[in-house]
Amino acid sequence: GAGVSQTPSNKVTEKGKYVELRCDPISGHTALYWYRQSLGQGPEFLIYFQGTGAADDSGLPNDRFFAVRPEGSVSTLKIQRTERGDSAVYLCASSLNPGPYEQYFGPGTRLTVT
Amino acid sequence: SQQGEEDPQALSIQEGENATMNCSYKTSINNLQWYRQNSGRGLVHLILIRSNEREKHSGRLRVTLDTSKKSSSLLITASRAADTASYFCATGINDMRFGAGTRLTVKP
Repeated sequence: GAGVSQTPSNKVTEKGKYVELRCDPISGHTALYWYRQSLGQGPEFLIYFQGTGAADDSGLPNDRFFAVRPEGSVSTLKIQRTERGDSAVYLCASSLNPGPYEQYFGPGTRLTVT
Repeated sequence: SQQGEEDPQALSIQEGENATMNCSYKTSINNLQWYRQNSGRGLVHLILIRSNEREKHSGRLRVTLDTSKKSSSLLITASRAADTASYFCATGINDMRFGAGTRLTVKP
């Protein structure tokens, strides 16, 4: 079956611009997660959705980052006024239910801020 | 912030040998998971061990958990070139915290 998909696979933007990254989770998965991964590091938790609501956004680094999941399926991570330090691979994952279960990861979006 | 810390940072072995990776964490946990990441398949879940379990097996993988020492180990037996990847431990229920990973290279 279809796994988690993310678009675009690569995004290059200029400092100060706004970007949107999209995640399409596995159908029927109620929980959705965003992480970002810098080179040589493990994924860093950003935010988690249960259904349409953000259940835990404690990992968002600052208020330039925002994510939505309006219909409880597709999610969009939005970054305003991008900075060079935002450059990373942004990973999305989903799981059937929230809790200590296996998370299925997408291939990621590589964001480069020039 | 990262919770787990893997050791060693890098490991290089010959095909057929066993590989052992360790993970230490700081706070009490409900469960610990191991994931593998390579360029071809992205991040893939390997195994989940709950805090009341001491050992778990899945194929050629064996995971142990010692909550008194706040540590876990992942053993891959009879390694193959296809096992070449980075291996991460992660703790947490929904807000998973990953370590920096162990980069395993299996030479054919």
